[in-house]
Amino acid sequence: DAGITQSPRYKITETGRQVTLMCHQTWSHSYMFWYRQDLGHGLRLIYYSAAADITDKGEVPDGYVVSRSKTENFPLTLESATRSQTSVYFCASSESGADQPQHFGDGTRLSIL
Amino acid sequence: GENVEQHPSTLSVQEGDSAVIKCTYSDSASNYFPWYKQELGKGPQLIIDIRSNVGEKKDQRIAVTLNKTAKHFSLHITETQPEDSAVYFCAASGTSYGKLTFGQGTILTVHP
Repeated sequence: DAGITQSPRYKITETGRQVTLMCHQTWSHSYMFWYRQDLGHGLRLIYYSAAADITDKGEVPDGYVVSRSKTENFPLTLESATRSQTSVYFCASSESGADQPQHFGDGTRLSIL
Repeated sequence: GENVEQHPSTLSVQEGDSAVIKCTYSDSASNYFPWYKQELGKGPQLIIDIRSNVGEKKDQRIAVTLNKTAKHFSLHITETQPEDSAVYFCAASGTSYGKLTFGQGTILTVHP
């Protein structure tokens, strides 16, 4: 089924560990985004990508790394996880940037102990 | 940067009633305003959007209105049904890359 998929759906890890969240879309959308959702803060943009090999910071990029070697994949890596990064992470994609709908995956719930 | 305020935070209605959720934004350059519905354990799902050159848009039981002068926009759901129960988010975007700034969300409960 076409769409945007995230994996894993749930992840528990320890502080200091590296963890990678995966995002894959089948629409060949140019733009991809990573958001985190926290109570009291809503959804906040971490990183975005306008095309393969083009990425840029969003509102809360510290502690995260992204890459985009292929149009369809946009992994998010926490290089040394901290408890403050416990959150629900959503990936989204859109056909182009400005004023275009963003379509979200079902999220990864990440707990850092 | 952009700031989006959303009210109310919770809304409880009887089945068949109408529901209205309001948002205000701060950046006059914002020109795209989507609304998302999020069910438990799911990602936000786009339900309707409006661009700044339009004042109102309808899709069956859902409508969105935009007042650019006052910098506010609203979601209207008519003839509510229990399956409309969810968290609703408004958002605004005005950047070239489409960054969305979200409101805090409204928990809508429709009682049968």
